[in-house]
Amino acid sequence: KNEVEQSPQNLTAQEGEFITINCSYSVGISALHWLQQHPGGGIVSLFMLSSGKKKHGRLIATINIQEKHSSLHITASHPRDSAVYICAVLLNYGGSQGNLIFGKGTKLSVKP
Amino acid sequence: NAGVTQTPKFQVLKTGQSMTLQCAQDMNHEYMSWYRQDPGMGLRLIHYSVGAGITDQGEVPNGYNVSRSTTEDFPLRLLSAAPSQTSVYFCASSYSESYTDTQYFGPGTRLTVL
Repeated sequence: KNEVEQSPQNLTAQEGEFITINCSYSVGISALHWLQQHPGGGIVSLFMLSSGKKKHGRLIATINIQEKHSSLHITASHPRDSAVYICAVLLNYGGSQGNLIFGKGTKLSVKP
Repeated sequence: NAGVTQTPKFQVLKTGQSMTLQCAQDMNHEYMSWYRQDPGMGLRLIHYSVGAGITDQGEVPNGYNVSRSTTEDFPLRLLSAAPSQTSVYFCASSYSESYTDTQYFGPGTRLTVL
């Protein structure tokens, strides 16, 4: 049983399109992270959310704790946004990074 | 700052061999961790450390040892490599173990066990 589900698994978009990646989870959580894994393998933390919405440049992340769902939006997508986007949830019983559960990732490819 | 560095980038081992994956950070972070990433699975925690001299097991610790003698270094040892340990290994660090702190990841080590 997967506690963290991401959709879609793969996504191809044209440059300039608005992109949405979804993350659903089945357990109570206290926070959620979005990470980006570059084609070369490097992983970068994008956002940490416990409620509401955060924005950084063209990236917007939202979370609805009651509905157990988060979305990552990319506005005006660009080929350099091509990467795997990973959702990770922090279970309710722990406040430590060691209690993070990671999703399998969504592979995004943005075509010029 | 170099951030989090890992060596080697690639490694091929034969079953039964031992080796050490190196991880170092120059950000004076207390919390360090090792993950493995397998196709079709999310990152899984192997071992972690909340400071020099303190280590603990994560979700998948079997077959791996760690030690933390300094704040900067957190090596991962494979005692007797098995094909099931073929994976990409990531080291990460953060200021503390609090989930509010940003984790910084190393570039990864791709390990193949034949």
